[in-house]
Amino acid sequence: GEDVEQSLFLSVREGDSSVINCTYTDSSSTYLYWYKQEPGAGLQLLTYIFSNMDMKQDQRLTVLLNKKDKHLSLRIADTQTGDSAIYFCAEISSASKIIFGSGTRLSIRP
Amino acid sequence: EAGVAQSPRYKIIEKRQSVAFWCNPISGHATLYWYQQILGQGPKLLIQFQNNGVVDDSQLPKDRFSAERLKGVDSTLKIQPAKLEDSAVYLCASLPARLISGANVLTFGAGSRLTVL
Repeated sequence: GEDVEQSLFLSVREGDSSVINCTYTDSSSTYLYWYKQEPGAGLQLLTYIFSNMDMKQDQRLTVLLNKKDKHLSLRIADTQTGDSAIYFCAEISSASKIIFGSGTRLSIRP
Repeated sequence: EAGVAQSPRYKIIEKRQSVAFWCNPISGHATLYWYQQILGQGPKLLIQFQNNGVVDDSQLPKDRFSAERLKGVDSTLKIQPAKLEDSAVYLCASLPARLISGANVLTFGAGSRLTVL
């Protein structure tokens, strides 16, 4: 069945770049999403990429998609304390079924 | 455009009691999802509707959970009887009927936080 996997934790120094990785299994995925969730808050859409794209950049965020390896990454440049959160990768299949990863908790060191 | 509305925001019940959650998706969105998010985990899909028909309910614990979407708009999710492990945030989300390039933002409601004592 479909599955989305992420590493559970990432710690980076303030000002460095953060790279959060995700792998998925459904080759029919049409869109892939990155959501951010701060403590006690809801899911906030950060960005998404269509499956026929390799890269998408939006200010400090860069999404890279390797469709052959079914690998998605989110790079946050100049990481700030406000970026501390859990980041979820999600895929949407051709049947509009959406599967989420377990989330990567990003913590920022001073 | 109004977002996905959910109620109640918070609910505390005792085990074996029942509870119902309500969701009003974005106007015109044909696909509606209910997710369960347990603390520290990613959202888990419970059920997916396309208009008023069920597309996927393979992970819905049907012995205690039920959901309906009459008239293809609002939806309710019910739990009866509740167990301690049902404590979670129940999220509703919606999508347009057809995936349109550049317009497929899965929009979530604020969620309904359930605590079962």
